Amino acid sequence: SYELTQPPSVSVSPGQTARITCSGDALPKQYAYWYQQKPGQAPVLVIYKDSERPSGIPERFSGSSSGTTVTLTISGVQAEDEADYYCQSADSSGTYQVFGTGTKVTVL
Amino acid sequence: QVQLQESGPGLVKPSETLSLTCAVSGYSISSGYYWGWIRQPPGKGLEWIGSIYHSGSTYYNPSLKSRVTISVDTSKNQFSLKLSSVTAADTAVYYCGRRGTAAGIDYWGQGTLVTVSS
Repeated sequence: SYELTQPPSVSVSPGQTARITCSGDALPKQYAYWYQQKPGQAPVLVIYKDSERPSGIPERFSGSSSGTTVTLTISGVQAEDEADYYCQSADSSGTYQVFGTGTKVTVL
Repeated sequence: QVQLQESGPGLVKPSETLSLTCAVSGYSISSGYYWGWIRQPPGKGLEWIGSIYHSGSTYYNPSLKSRVTISVDTSKNQFSLKLSSVTAADTAVYYCGRRGTAAGIDYWGQGTLVTVSS
């Protein structure tokens, strides 16, 4: 089955930049999406179509894509950005959706 | 404002069928989008269960396909999940969501915890 791989954790100091990667063989063919999830809450979409930001999402959140890896970048990290982050995409046929393994971002 | 709300039993016995409903307000299901289910076992990551397109086409996670049925009731503007032969491994928070083509899951329900236990 298709898998998306993320680092389990990323630690960053306030004001610094956090980068979270997501790797998958079909990413050159399929868009990636990123979600932020805080404890006890439903996930929130923060990036769609690799690099587009939904309305209401701060500009410090950005996305990029290169080959089989997509990256979520949080510039000028704030304490409120501490959360779990998940990438999501589809298999090469576009039929099945898959979530990444998830990355816990800790703000030191 | 689009809103989704899951409902159903919070406790299901092993080997029985888990049944959940997602009521949608603020948007007509028959107008478009994919409507799907995602689950999250306690302390673990998100898992896509499956989706139904507004036309009725269904797409299921291959690992769950033999046990999953997703259906839609446009008259009530809601869609449902049935997962058969459940075990303790199916204990999770179950979310419903709306997904656009090349748009991600832009609206989520609040989630409902379903525990499988005798």
